[in-house]
Amino acid sequence: SAVISQKPSRDICQRGTSLTIQCQVDSQVTMMFWYRQQPGQSLTLIATANQGSEATYESGFVIDKFPISRPNLTFSTLTVSNMSPEDSSIYLCSVGFQMNTEAFFGQGTRLTVV
Amino acid sequence: RKEVEQDPGPFNVPEGATVAFNCTYSNSASQSFFWYRQDCRKEPKLLMSVYSSGNEDGRFTAQLNRASQYISLLIRDSKLSDSATYLCVVNDPDSSYKLIFGSGTRLLVRP
Repeated sequence: SAVISQKPSRDICQRGTSLTIQCQVDSQVTMMFWYRQQPGQSLTLIATANQGSEATYESGFVIDKFPISRPNLTFSTLTVSNMSPEDSSIYLCSVGFQMNTEAFFGQGTRLTVV
Repeated sequence: RKEVEQDPGPFNVPEGATVAFNCTYSNSASQSFFWYRQDCRKEPKLLMSVYSSGNEDGRFTAQLNRASQYISLLIRDSKLSDSATYLCVVNDPDSSYKLIFGSGTRLLVRP
């Protein structure tokens, strides 16, 4: 497993602004992912953060709205851009060490857009 | 049809009870299966992986039935601290690393 530090843990933001969420891992990891969990729902994968190249986005998510950086094997950021109340959700950073194995999660960022 | 389906519950059981959750998955090519636990306002945490032969970890037993494409989790001697949402997770066989999460089954253990 790994120690995954995600911050901020929560934030309340004005619509139209942007928030950047950071994810720091205590060891080098192969895979880093960003998920969204809306109230009462399960986890939806936003994108895979690729080290040194553009993230791979899932259907329904675009880079302009959710730009992602991954400058090295231990760190990634997710930005939620031009926020609206519909973006209110929990955003979770996740890491994986090997293909088709379990994933580990950061503590999550609870975002409320007003 | 959802890729991973679970009964949302809640399952409301007394302390000491035995409770079982089932989960079905749609893609027969999936190879990796997990149960995660998520407490309210917390991140999901791996409870156990599910192996073809079935596996047990203390009060928790997981079973896999590939022919019927379902996974089960049995909790014996329920504790108050077992109250949580249990997520069934399978790998996406069309990807080498993606996981597909069920919507979770909520368990409430009462005194």
